Amino acid sequence: EIVLTQSPATLSLSPGERVTLSCRASQSVSSHLAWYQHKPGQAPRLLIYDTSSRATGTPARFSGSGFGTDFTLTISSLEPEDFAVYYCQQGGNWRPLTFGLGTRLETK
Amino acid sequence: QVHLQESGPGLVKPSETLSLSCSVSGGSMIGYHWSWIRQTPGKGLEWIGYISHIGSTDYNPSLKSRVTMSVDTSKNQFSLRLNSVTAADTALYYCARTWGTYPDFWGQGTLVTVSS
Repeated sequence: EIVLTQSPATLSLSPGERVTLSCRASQSVSSHLAWYQHKPGQAPRLLIYDTSSRATGTPARFSGSGFGTDFTLTISSLEPEDFAVYYCQQGGNWRPLTFGLGTRLETK
Repeated sequence: QVHLQESGPGLVKPSETLSLSCSVSGGSMIGYHWSWIRQTPGKGLEWIGYISHIGSTDYNPSLKSRVTMSVDTSKNQFSLRLNSVTAADTALYYCARTWGTYPDFWGQGTLVTVSS
């Protein structure tokens, strides 16, 4: 099973700041990595798939990069609605599909 | 926009079977996989498995011996059965449409507690 390690666990930031979240895989997943945003009481939302492709409706301030075992999600300028928990997930041919434990973005 | 809604008992006794259904609206079930995913404070998000619209399945090896999924495209529904449950199966259970290997639309989740 591929283990995804996200860091940091929590980030305290202010609107307007730039943020980079990290996801590291225990073995290469090529480019088969996605990012999700999850707010309390809501369904998780797919933001990015295949490392860097934005899902429909994902604002351009969200961007993803990486390959193999190291991946990042960058939010260029935080909006108030971006404070949430972010999860990475590996896809591709590796089973089971697995998720990281998440990074919580909270307001400073 | 695709909408998914989980339903089923919120309380299941130990050793019994957890049964959940997911209703899909706003889109066709054809051409996608349909996943069950659960979330616990300790283990985070855990993919339970998925089923295609024609009924082929892929389960998480850690749960495979206890899981059965089924699909009824005529009713736009798919279902999960998890038998021999214990307290460790207490979780928030999500259903999700899965595009390739990425769950792209999720339900809001339903809390299932295993307790006598």
